Amino acid sequence: GAVVSQHPSWVICKSGTSVKIECRSLDFQATTMFWYRQFPKQSLMLMATSNEGSKATYEQGVEKDKFLINHASLTLSTLTVTSAHPEDSSFYICSANHPRMREAEWNEQFFGPGTRLTVL
Amino acid sequence: RKEVEQDPGPFNVPEGATVAFNCTYSNSASQSFFWYRQDCRKEPKLLMSVYSSGNEDGRFTAQLNRASQYISLLIRDSKLSDSATYLCVVNRDNYGQNFVFGPGTRLSVLP
Repeated sequence: GAVVSQHPSWVICKSGTSVKIECRSLDFQATTMFWYRQFPKQSLMLMATSNEGSKATYEQGVEKDKFLINHASLTLSTLTVTSAHPEDSSFYICSANHPRMREAEWNEQFFGPGTRLTVL
Repeated sequence: RKEVEQDPGPFNVPEGATVAFNCTYSNSASQSFFWYRQDCRKEPKLLMSVYSSGNEDGRFTAQLNRASQYISLLIRDSKLSDSATYLCVVNRDNYGQNFVFGPGTRLSVLP
């Protein structure tokens, strides 16, 4: 299957600092990438849809000024958590659409390995 | 009501057992459906897509009932390696842009 990488895989930072997470599609071009957040024992919640060359679309309740998304190329999207606080500690996962043609699989999303953020 | 709901679990079953997971979704306009599995502290991985006619992949069988807005996953002859959380995923539109994840059902297969 398609490969999506994330960096870093984990990060610990002090409250008030900003953290940048990178999401890369390694063997395909992704015009659209997605950023999810997962708290312990909860499911993935979509935060925003990252569109190459245009502004990201944020889900209701997600602060766009706090979670900055940049999708400057067809293989890279970044999520910056600005002025991180302990409540931002979570597992952040990105995914990308792989352009397949088979029915019901053409819109399959491939997930990166996730970034575990701990804010002290 | 959540848009996608699943059996709360956890399911603890012996090796070799057959186990079934249920999922319901509330948005009747949903277009495509998937089962993902997620291991602890890992990203979700696609297990199988769910087709209207039902589909089977080895020990795994998925069924979709659009009228009842219900999706199921059956695992036969469960293995220890099947232990994971199973996520029911519903795509709201036809462009792969709008995935909604269920809360997941945890399965533990015991020796």
